[in-house]
Amino acid sequence: QQQVKQSPQSLIVQKGGIPIINCAYENTAFDYFPWYQQFPGKGPALLIAIRPDVSEKKEGRFTISFNKSAKQFSLHIMDSQPGDSATYFCAASEGSGGSNYKLTFGKGTLLTVNP
Amino acid sequence: KAGVTQTPRYLIKTRGQQVTLSCSPISGHRSVSWYQQTPGQGLQFLFEYFSETQRNKGNFPGRFSGRQFSNSRSEMNVSTLELGDSALYLCASSLGPINEQFFGPGTRLTVL
Repeated sequence: QQQVKQSPQSLIVQKGGIPIINCAYENTAFDYFPWYQQFPGKGPALLIAIRPDVSEKKEGRFTISFNKSAKQFSLHIMDSQPGDSATYFCAASEGSGGSNYKLTFGKGTLLTVNP
Repeated sequence: KAGVTQTPRYLIKTRGQQVTLSCSPISGHRSVSWYQQTPGQGLQFLFEYFSETQRNKGNFPGRFSGRQFSNSRSEMNVSTLELGDSALYLCASSLGPINEQFFGPGTRLTVL
């Protein structure tokens, strides 16, 4: 059972565009939602994360929007650049209690930003 | 501050062999988690260690095992390797069990 569904699988935008990647989850106990960026040959790097007590969080050009009632969250990349071309993963965990902390990942979105 | 280091970066083994992968967390981090990444299954949680204790384990067979040492360094072992074990094995460290996780570059294991 896939607990975090990510879409689209791949995405192509022009430089300056605003790619949006969506994730939906099933487990209502999830309370931490990070996004990771991965370049070929590298491990995933934490981009930005959100907890369900806020509906939006911005860090630089990256914004997470969170809809608790719909059990959905999304990543927006403002003014995208060719250097943003990478695979993006959403994830979720139910770790606040410290007893069951593990990240459940979406399948990933391959983003290509054309010059 | 140095990041998470994993050794070796690449490994080629044959079916039936066993393998040990090593992970050194960021200095001061006490929690280490392991993940398997494959094109088909994506990133899947293997296990998590904190203060030398395995706190969580993913849905993998008993051939996959790990341990953590007193200096927080961790190893994972896969015995009786199968072709399907070919994957990128990622280690992530965090200050504690509920803090942000930082990933290493991974060990690429190929089973022939």
